[in-house]
Amino acid sequence: GQSLEQPSEVTAVEGAIVQINCTYQTSGFYGLSWYQQHDGGAPTFLSYNALDGLEETGRFSSFLSRSDSYGYLLLQELQMKDSASYFCAASGFQKLVFGTGTRLLVSP
Amino acid sequence: GAVVSQHPSRVICKSGTSVKIECRSLDFQATTMFWYRQFPKQSLMLMATSNEGSKATYEQGVEKDKFLINHASLTLSTLTVTSAHPEDSSFYICSASAPLAGDSDTQYFGPGTRLTVL
Repeated sequence: GQSLEQPSEVTAVEGAIVQINCTYQTSGFYGLSWYQQHDGGAPTFLSYNALDGLEETGRFSSFLSRSDSYGYLLLQELQMKDSASYFCAASGFQKLVFGTGTRLLVSP
Repeated sequence: GAVVSQHPSRVICKSGTSVKIECRSLDFQATTMFWYRQFPKQSLMLMATSNEGSKATYEQGVEKDKFLINHASLTLSTLTVTSAHPEDSSFYICSASAPLAGDSDTQYFGPGTRLTVL
C-alpha cells in the first residue's frame, strides 16, 4: 500500500523555525508536494520537490531525499497566521496521495 | 491564475436524498479533475479521478454507484452523492491539474463543499 507519515502536531512560538517531517512508502513516485490547510478551508499549494535537495520559496523551504523516502517542510520566521494543518503529498500515476497531516500551533 | 470553484459551499440535506456538487476550473482547461473526501481532523482521501469525456476511475472502497461523477467538459466536473446517509457527511474537495508544461503534477484545489446529511 501507499502511506505517508507525519507527526500529528507541532507547536512553536512566533519567530521560531519549525521542521515538519514526512516519510513515505509509495509506488510510482514522481515527487513530493506540500499543502497548507486552515480550518474549514481548502488545501493551498506550498511547494513541490521532484529532485533531491532543498527548494526555497520565501519563508518556506522543502527538502526531498529519494534514497531515504523522506522529505520535510521548513517554516522560518513563524507567524501566527501559519497556524494550520500541513500535508505532504506524493505524486505518481497522475494522482496525489496525502500524508496523515501535521497540525502546527504557533503561539505568541 | 489556476482558480477552481465549487458549488455549493455548504449543503444540508435529508437522509435518502441526492446532492450534486459542481467543480469548475475558471481560467484554465482541466483534462483531469479529482474528488477528495475529508473527515474532521483527518487527511484528504482520494475518491476518484475524472477525465474529460471518459468514465471516472474510482479508488478502492469507493462505491461508484453511490458517488456518480460526470466530467462533461474541460472546465466542469460534478459529483452526485446518491441516497445520502449521515455517514456521508463530510468535506468534499475537488481539484484540477493544470496541463501546463512541467506543471502536470500540481493540483489546484477548490474551496470545498461541506455536506451534512440529517
